[in-house]
Amino acid sequence: AQSVTQLDSHVSVSEGTPVLLRCNYSSSYSPSLFWYVQHPNKGLQLLLKYTSAATLVKGINGFEAEFKKSETSFHLTKPSAHMSDAAEYFCVVIDNYGQNFVFGPGTRLSVLP
Amino acid sequence: DTGVSQDPRHKITKRGQNVTFRCDPISEHNRLYWYRQTLGQGPEFLTYFQNEAQLEKSRLLSDRFSAERPKGSFSTLEIQRTEQGDSAMYLCASSGGNPYNSPLHFGNGTRLTVT
Repeated sequence: AQSVTQLDSHVSVSEGTPVLLRCNYSSSYSPSLFWYVQHPNKGLQLLLKYTSAATLVKGINGFEAEFKKSETSFHLTKPSAHMSDAAEYFCVVIDNYGQNFVFGPGTRLSVLP
Repeated sequence: DTGVSQDPRHKITKRGQNVTFRCDPISEHNRLYWYRQTLGQGPEFLTYFQNEAQLEKSRLLSDRFSAERPKGSFSTLEIQRTEQGDSAMYLCASSGGNPYNSPLHFGNGTRLTVT
């Protein structure tokens, strides 16, 4: 069965510094992977997706993620954090039937002024 | 595209009562999902519809939970004899296109509080 591990439950960065949110997945095939963001009291919003095309994926708001099959990783990065990036971030893998999206436990990003 | 809408936004009920939530997906999406999210956790899969057919249901979903999508458009999620452990955010999402790589589009959720 597919699973997702997000190695950090909480990451804190200063405004203007880089962001790295880590995600490792377990899958028996070449997966589709997604990152979602959830701001307080808001719905889940898609940041970006990987679907076996380019391994470096660009998303909204300056975020990127790189798919590394050898490391089974799909880490999310941003060169310079903004206060508005403070939110919960979820890494997601889709199962091999295309029927179930498996969410990681989430990483809470805090951005300090 | 008006997005996925859920109703109500909040529901407070007493233990033992029945509740029903509604989800209206994006109109051209044939797949509809229900998830449950508790504080500090990631969304947990409950069930999945393709058109009107319920194709998968989580083993975690007790018999008190039932979902329908009668005409392949809107969906309802009913919880019978609610328990305090049912308190959570219930999220609906829809998707269209290739099922192996099309993302989910989420509504804002229904927050259930069981007292």
